[in-house]
Amino acid sequence: DAGVIQSPRHEVTEMGQEVTLRCKPISGHNSLFWYRQTMMRGLELLIYFNNNVPIDDSGMPEDRFSAKMPNASFSTLKIQPSEPRDSAVYFCASRTGGKTQYFGPGTRLLVL
Amino acid sequence: AQTVTQSQPEMSVQEAETVTLSCTYDTSESDYYLFWYKQPPSRQMILVIRQEAYKQQNATENRFSVNFQKAAKSFSLKISDSQLGDAAMYFCAYRSARGSNYKLTFGKGTLLTVNP
Repeated sequence: DAGVIQSPRHEVTEMGQEVTLRCKPISGHNSLFWYRQTMMRGLELLIYFNNNVPIDDSGMPEDRFSAKMPNASFSTLKIQPSEPRDSAVYFCASRTGGKTQYFGPGTRLLVL
Repeated sequence: AQTVTQSQPEMSVQEAETVTLSCTYDTSESDYYLFWYKQPPSRQMILVIRQEAYKQQNATENRFSVNFQKAAKSFSLKISDSQLGDAAMYFCAYRSARGSNYKLTFGKGTLLTVNP
């Protein structure tokens, strides 16, 4: 059974450009989470969807960040415009009813 | 708010030996879940073991076991017969068991080195 799939795995972009990160949760999972990991702040929850609906976006840093989940099998996290301080590893995780979140491999973003 | 503390930024162990990673947490709740995740150099976050707070028995998964001390709010991970592939960053995480509470709170992590 496929795990959480994220693309791209690595992204290098220049400041000011738009960046779109993609996530396919595990089939049948109804909760989806976006996290950001940096050395300074560790793992932070950015946004949480349940049944495709954003429930908590209080972790989204600012208006430059937006996330969508148009259907149960796809979500995007967009940064526009990107800044060097957005450089981090971005994880998507999914869960169904149970206790455990399963993480994707992450997208390593570098903004120059 | 819940907090998770991992007081050991780095640990090292000899191959085939046993190592224990520490984790403490702060909560006013009585029902919750605790997790250990492993993050190898590939950056993938891999679930190692999970403990339900209502269970008195410590969770075990092959060479991995926990020492859950609810009163002390302590949740340590023991790795027996350490292998080179165990080298990774290990994160302790907490989640409330209340149905509406979905948030995982992570510690800062412990970097484990396994020496051959």
